[in-house]
Amino acid sequence: GAVVSQHPSWVICKSGTSVKIECRSLDFQATTMFWYRQFPKQSLMLMATSNEGSKATYEQGVEKDKFLINHASLTLSTLTVTSAHPEDSSFYICSARDLRDSTDTQYFGPGTRLTVL
Amino acid sequence: RKEVEQDPGPFNVPEGATVAFNCTYSNSASQSFFWYRQDCRKEPKLLMSVYSSGNEDGRFTAQLNRASQYISLLIRDSKLSDSATYLCAVRLGDSSYKLIFGSGTRLLVRP
Repeated sequence: GAVVSQHPSWVICKSGTSVKIECRSLDFQATTMFWYRQFPKQSLMLMATSNEGSKATYEQGVEKDKFLINHASLTLSTLTVTSAHPEDSSFYICSARDLRDSTDTQYFGPGTRLTVL
Repeated sequence: RKEVEQDPGPFNVPEGATVAFNCTYSNSASQSFFWYRQDCRKEPKLLMSVYSSGNEDGRFTAQLNRASQYISLLIRDSKLSDSATYLCAVRLGDSSYKLIFGSGTRLLVRP
């Protein structure tokens, strides 16, 4: 149980285009999902907290108009990188908390590797 | 100062060795603590949660020292398959459930 999927697993796009990444909790419901970004040889940096049915909460320094987050259901959150540039190339990972779980456990998706040419 | 700090390593040890990692955190209100393992180009996987009383899972032992604000991970009898990056993560004592990760410590276990 507690499986989180991401789609796509990797994507290559041209500079200036937008890319949508999906994060799904497959066997549980998640009111809260988290989006992280990881550059090579660096740690995971939290970008934003995605809340079902409400606006996402962005971390300091993360542009909310560039990284659009939608959490329309209890099993799906999407991150759209708008007008992508080469510096947005990174490993994007989501995680989700089980609605019924009172512990702090977060389940991570397998990540999406974005390359912007 | 970073909220969560780790020695980046790499720690290069022979099979069978015992190796220990430390992780310090700056916010005294931090509530929960975790060790994750991350293999190259993969997502992090929860290794163990860290409790005040310390906890052990096979060859892995985690300890929390709230007074000094650090957590540790001890790996005994290292295996080649233990080679990975070990990330510590801290959850603040608020309602957000956000995790703050350290930069990770890389472990290389050699034959």
